[in-house]
Amino acid sequence: KAGVTQTPRYLIKTRGQQVTLSCSPISGHRSVSWYQQTPGQGLQFLFEYFSETQRNKGNFPGRFSGRQFSNSRSEMNVSTLELGDSALYLCASSSGTGALTEAFFGQGTRLTVV
Amino acid sequence: AQSVTQLDSQVPVFEEAPVELRCNYSSSVSVYLFWYVQYPNQGLQLLLKYLSGSTLVKGINGFEAEFNKSQTSFHLRKPSVHISDTAEYFCAVSEAGGGNKLTFGTGTQLKVEL
Repeated sequence: KAGVTQTPRYLIKTRGQQVTLSCSPISGHRSVSWYQQTPGQGLQFLFEYFSETQRNKGNFPGRFSGRQFSNSRSEMNVSTLELGDSALYLCASSSGTGALTEAFFGQGTRLTVV
Repeated sequence: AQSVTQLDSQVPVFEEAPVELRCNYSSSVSVYLFWYVQYPNQGLQLLLKYLSGSTLVKGINGFEAEFNKSQTSFHLRKPSVHISDTAEYFCAVSEAGGGNKLTFGTGTQLKVEL
């Protein structure tokens, strides 16, 4: 079956703009989590959605938001981009919620803010 | 809150030699432990996980890890590495009842040399 699909793979934006990233989970998976990966901060949890509800949220400013649709596809949005938002954004999908279900990661969207 | 420490940022090793990547964690509640591998420009792939039971866990590609509760460690080992094992390895923890949120260490770059 198809894996986790993240679009676009690469993105270049200007400071102050906003951006929307998309994640299509594995068919049948209802949980989607987002992570930011940077050389300085490593992998940091952004938020988790399960059945269209945000279940968990990391320590990021309100400029970072997300949502999940009825087909489990998820989007995350970053408004008023800053240079420090340049990162690889990873999405992970799971069939359920909790450590008993494995998280499958997409290849990520590399965002560059100039 | 939980945290993960990977003391070695880089580990060089010759092909066919054994390797150990160290991971220590901190948490006030029960945890589940994971090791992920990331190849260049790729997402994360699960190598193995510890949920409960036997403290020695075997994973894919010949890797294994041992959970040591008294030392709060979960070190990853492989008896004989191959060039193709060159990648970045991340230790991660999730807390019981914490949903799918993973807290990652800063990663260890394993470089296998001929």
